[in-house]
Amino acid sequence: EAQVTQNPRYLITVTGKKLTVTCSQNMNHEYMSWYRQDPGLGLRQIYYSMNVEVTDKGDVPEGYKVSRKEKRNFPLILESPSPNQTSLYFCASHRGANTGELFFGEGSRLTVL
Amino acid sequence: AQKVTQAQTEISVVEKEDVTLDCVYETRDTTYYLFWYKQPPSGELVFLIRRNSFDEQNEISGRYSWNFQKSTSSFNFTITASQVVDSAVYFCALEDRGSTLGRLYFGRGTQLTVWP
Repeated sequence: EAQVTQNPRYLITVTGKKLTVTCSQNMNHEYMSWYRQDPGLGLRQIYYSMNVEVTDKGDVPEGYKVSRKEKRNFPLILESPSPNQTSLYFCASHRGANTGELFFGEGSRLTVL
Repeated sequence: AQKVTQAQTEISVVEKEDVTLDCVYETRDTTYYLFWYKQPPSGELVFLIRRNSFDEQNEISGRYSWNFQKSTSSFNFTITASQVVDSAVYFCALEDRGSTLGRLYFGRGTQLTVWP
């Protein structure tokens, strides 16, 4: 079954405590990206990756890092989380631009106290 | 610049009513793709439809239908005979050919509540 898997699904943490949200896809997709969803703002892209070792900033990259060491994995790293990073995060994978739908993970709800 | 506007923040209807969710987009590209996603209360994003900018035919899938009009840059979504299970947030999104990123530009979403 085609899947994008994110972990953890829910997390409450405190300001400054580094955390990583993992994302893995089993469709051999080249493109992966991270979005955050905030009330009234829709989904906004944080970072994207076009292939292994190729990553770049999206619309709201501040406070985040990513890495793409393997094709299937695209973790999102919050080095020093702050309360304004409390949000619902989605990982997505895509076969390529203009080739079809994005496959989304189930979302990770992060609360930073 | 790419932009998607969903002017309706919230809509409430009673079961069996028809409801239309509006989506207006902006792009300079002539080739682009439009999407609708559904987000039920459980939070996941469910793909509903993808439409190529060259295909202006309306599409119907069961109780769902989509009206794509390039002349008004709109891609509206109608649910016929709504049901309580249709209650969700619905997002319209745009991917243009100029994007090599597989990036979708999302509207802010419309919260649809269907009352029994």
